[in-house]
Amino acid sequence: LAKTTQPISMDSYEGQEVNITCSHNNIATNDYITWYQQFPSQGPRFIIQGYKTKVTNEVASLFIPADRKSSTLSLPRVSLSDTAVYYCLVGEGTGNQFYFGTGTSLTVIP
Amino acid sequence: DTGVSQDPRHKITKRGQNVTFRCDPISEHNRLYWYRQTLGQGPEFLTYFQNEAQLEKSRLLSDRFSAERPKGSFSTLEIQRTEQGDSAMYLCASSPPGQVTDTQYFGPGTRLTVL
Repeated sequence: LAKTTQPISMDSYEGQEVNITCSHNNIATNDYITWYQQFPSQGPRFIIQGYKTKVTNEVASLFIPADRKSSTLSLPRVSLSDTAVYYCLVGEGTGNQFYFGTGTSLTVIP
Repeated sequence: DTGVSQDPRHKITKRGQNVTFRCDPISEHNRLYWYRQTLGQGPEFLTYFQNEAQLEKSRLLSDRFSAERPKGSFSTLEIQRTEQGDSAMYLCASSPPGQVTDTQYFGPGTRLTVL
């Protein structure tokens, strides 16, 4: 079960681009990389998922280098409402393959 | 699509009592997960159902914990003889069939406080 390492916390000013990097040195061939967002007293919410290179959706981009041992979640022009904990998960997808870790607590400052 | 719902949202109980939580997944989602989350930590996997079959159980799920999904729809998580260490947020998630990878949709959680 691949574990991940993320910074414990980050601060950013409103309107800035935020990049959160996750290390997953033991990622397996069949593993995907998934990011979730969690607000206090709520369940996590899916943000983005990828296998390699770059994935972009309406809320974020995910950059994955060729060796796949790390990934970077990019949030463009963050707002105060983006203050949350962000989790990087690596796994094949079903069952108990997801390890959440402690996540990165992002604080957006006005 | 009303999302994953959990009931109750909060539960306060005395040590030694039994508690039961319910999770209603998104309609037609065949996979259902239970997690436990304590303050400052990420969710920890407890167990996983595909339809009515319980396919995975974490070692965190002691003999005092039992989960069921009798008809492959809603699920219940029961904790017997609660201990103070059981105090946590219990999260349920579901995911639809036919996915190569798993996108889990989480409910709001049930916060358990054991006095």
